[in-house]
Amino acid sequence: AQKITQTQPGMFVQEKEAVTLDCTYDTSDQSYGLFWYKQPSSGEMIFLIYQGSYDEQNATEGRYSLNFQKARKSANLVISASQLGDSAMYFCAMRVGVGGTSYGKLTFGQGTILTVHP
Amino acid sequence: DAEITQSPRHKITETGRQVTLACHQTWNHNNMFWYRQDLGHGLRLIHYSYGVQDTNKGEVSDGYSVSRSNTEDLPLTLESAASSQTSVYFCASSESGRDTQYFGPGTRLTVL
Repeated sequence: AQKITQTQPGMFVQEKEAVTLDCTYDTSDQSYGLFWYKQPSSGEMIFLIYQGSYDEQNATEGRYSLNFQKARKSANLVISASQLGDSAMYFCAMRVGVGGTSYGKLTFGQGTILTVHP
Repeated sequence: DAEITQSPRHKITETGRQVTLACHQTWNHNNMFWYRQDLGHGLRLIHYSYGVQDTNKGEVSDGYSVSRSNTEDLPLTLESAASSQTSVYFCASSESGRDTQYFGPGTRLTVL
């Protein structure tokens, strides 16, 4: 069975600095997808970034990048130039397998609370 | 703008009652999902559907059911609510063949 581990319950960062949120995963499948979602205090889940297991380049979306290290089974989220609005819970998630019966079956980690200090 | 909505946003009910949580999306997505979020567990998949008349069990489906009679809606029913089902429930949708899911605002359910 697949598993996602986020070992940092909470992280603190100074505004304008970069921060890395850790995520490790466990699966024996060769095909999988990795996601990061942001959950602000208002509660909604916001999609941030996606990395496919066969993607050779690390995914980037604006200030977000995913540091994908396949051999280590890690998919860390890097937020550059942190802003106060980045304070939120961040979830790493994984989808395993290919084809119609696998799409969307996400397994989530327990989350990391990020606090950005002014 | 296309969106995904959930109702009610907050619900308090009693043990043993049947409860239905609504989820409606206007993206015309074929894939729809229900998750529950609990402290210490992150989000866990309850049920999902890849299209009309299709429903599948997720990781924590006991005590829940869904039905899909049209593309836009996937209501979640708690047959006989239990205190262990107190949680925040999220509905999500995605396009066919696409992984990225878009979430609704959530429903906070309390079972007394």
